[in-house]
Amino acid sequence: QKEVEQDPGPLSVPEGAIVSLNCTYSNSAFQYFMWYRQYSRKGPELLMYTYSSGNKEDGRFTAQVDKSSKYISLFIRDSQPSDSATYLCAVLSGGYNKLIFGAGTRLAVHP
Amino acid sequence: GAGVSQSPSNKVTEKGKDVELRCDPISGHTALYWYRQRLGQGLEFLIYFQGNSAPDKSGLPSDRFSAERTGESVSTLTIQRTQQEDSAVYLCASSKSRDSLYEQYFGPGTRLTVT
Repeated sequence: QKEVEQDPGPLSVPEGAIVSLNCTYSNSAFQYFMWYRQYSRKGPELLMYTYSSGNKEDGRFTAQVDKSSKYISLFIRDSQPSDSATYLCAVLSGGYNKLIFGAGTRLAVHP
Repeated sequence: GAGVSQSPSNKVTEKGKDVELRCDPISGHTALYWYRQRLGQGLEFLIYFQGNSAPDKSGLPSDRFSAERTGESVSTLTIQRTQQEDSAVYLCASSKSRDSLYEQYFGPGTRLTVT
């Protein structure tokens, strides 16, 4: 079993839709949870991080962590074509020395 | 300020040749990572440098892979006797310190193709 599982998609939505991206993880010791966005042929960029459980909001983006079910979510409100990218969830390993990434979900927002 | 830079951006090499990839982290960042990203897959951790401490090499897939870092600056990843399965994008990332490893800044990557 992979430590972080993520549905690779692709996910195609119309502009303005609410997008829900999800990951599950296996180790309850993980404390930091990240979402990175990666445009084609670019390096990933950090969107948001959450420590422990709960929600965090930044503009149109909301990150949610449910530690009881080991579930991580990213919601995008009012999605835009510029949101079209691959979204990677990541956790900071229990030893706090590396990030463990999901496979990434490819999102396409069409006008 | 300048972000993380990597060179070359693309590298095509023949099977069996050695390649060297370079990473320039953000100035002042003490932590530096190398990752490998195969087509359509997530990032695979390779190696972690933190200041002058011994690097964490636990992700290197074989002894053909090695990396060095000079102090808190440039790093090079060397792959010897390249194989076709080494074809991937190699990404470098840096973070400010070991207390902010969740916040990593990535370079654009080096796309390696082994023919």
